[in-house]
Amino acid sequence: EVQLVESGGGLVQPGRSLKLSCAASGFTFSNYYMAWVRQAPKKGLEWVATISTSGSRTYYPDSVKGRFTISRDNAKSSLYLQMNSLKSEDTATYYCARLITTTYYFDYWGQGVMVTVSS
Amino acid sequence: DIQMTQSPASLSASLEEIVTITCQASQDIGNYLSWYQQKPGKSPQLLIHSATSLADGVPSRFSGSRSGTQYSLKINRLQVEDTGIYYCLQHYSAHTFGAGTKLELK
Repeated sequence: EVQLVESGGGLVQPGRSLKLSCAASGFTFSNYYMAWVRQAPKKGLEWVATISTSGSRTYYPDSVKGRFTISRDNAKSSLYLQMNSLKSEDTATYYCARLITTTYYFDYWGQGVMVTVSS
Repeated sequence: DIQMTQSPASLSASLEEIVTITCQASQDIGNYLSWYQQKPGKSPQLLIHSATSLADGVPSRFSGSRSGTQYSLKINRLQVEDTGIYYCLQHYSAHTFGAGTKLELK
């Protein structure tokens, strides 16, 4: 059974940093692209970052480019999101998601972790 | 950037009714379109991928179709458990979600 379990969320002040983790199990982690998707309270879904199987390629929307860094450790079947210079508009539930190779849609999602940016 | 215009924003329908939700892409995205259902407090669940392919375990009353750059999700014979918010996603170039459609029972 595919499982994605996020951790590391919490309350953080504007301008500070936070690192999220996602522990994957039930599949060969190193064979899949992975991503982070977020959802602000009562709002829609927003793609945040994608990483290739080896970690050599990463992709971001303009809203987080230069502030967020996605990374992975295939030996630990883990995905990470380093978030720097956090803003109030980064407040959201962050989901870890697996991408289907070649077509790049999300087929499995974690349960999400809440990040609140507030002073 | 590719924009996805999803409609309607909300929808109220009766049990057993047929429901249709649409997404209009701002440019050609081929069949790189998927649909998700999200229930309150839960993560999104994949319903349809590649515009028309039913995901594993999804009831056959759900179906997807494409006409040019317009994509539709159809629910035949609406059931109680189908309430929630539905999102389309284009994955042709980066990823863009539609704004969502909140489906309620009348």
